[in-house]
Amino acid sequence: GDSVTQMEGPVTLSEEAFLTINCTYTATGYPSLFWYVQYPGEGLQLLLKATKADDKGSNKGFEATYRKETTSFHLEKGSVQVSDSAVYFCALVASIQGAQKLVFGQGTRLTINP
Amino acid sequence: SQTIHQWPATLVQPVGSPLSLECTVEGTSNPNLYWYRQAAGRGLQLLFYSVGIGQISSEVPQNLSASRPQDRQFILSSKKLLLSDSGFYLCAWSDVGARGYTFGSGTRLTVV
Repeated sequence: GDSVTQMEGPVTLSEEAFLTINCTYTATGYPSLFWYVQYPGEGLQLLLKATKADDKGSNKGFEATYRKETTSFHLEKGSVQVSDSAVYFCALVASIQGAQKLVFGQGTRLTINP
Repeated sequence: SQTIHQWPATLVQPVGSPLSLECTVEGTSNPNLYWYRQAAGRGLQLLFYSVGIGQISSEVPQNLSASRPQDRQFILSSKKLLLSDSGFYLCAWSDVGARGYTFGSGTRLTVV
């Protein structure tokens, strides 16, 4: 079945450091890909998405490019802030009988120190 | 605009007690509805989904059940909670084309 593998955490960086969180997927066809963020004590928020190969999703300084050849969707940010501390989930959408489910990676906890 | 409401936000229940978590969606019709669970230190797992009133599909066998008595209402239940039911439960909805997938704020359930 479809699956998502995410870089294991936790990840701890200093403010203004460069961030990469790796994500690879296994799927039939070319599903839409997502990054969700979960801030402490909150639910999930969509951070960015890409719907086809070579698409680049971007939001709040974060970027991820849909790479069909490497089945990857790595999350990057050039200069992280303390407020970026959260858990990040990579996900793909898979079709199920009449609906669509999100298949998530295990999540990566990111802590940014001032 | 569409909104999704989930309650309660936190819940502490003894083992063997019943459970009812409720989720409602506003501003859309005939949404696909979902219940996910996030166990401690793990990712999110789809528990149930529904494509219409009274239509419930289960992704994994478990101690829980779901119901959809109205178009925009989705309920997660248990007759007798187990310790292993502890976790963070998230309701979500999507439109038929999955152009959007929106989560509720979640319920943190602790079974003691």
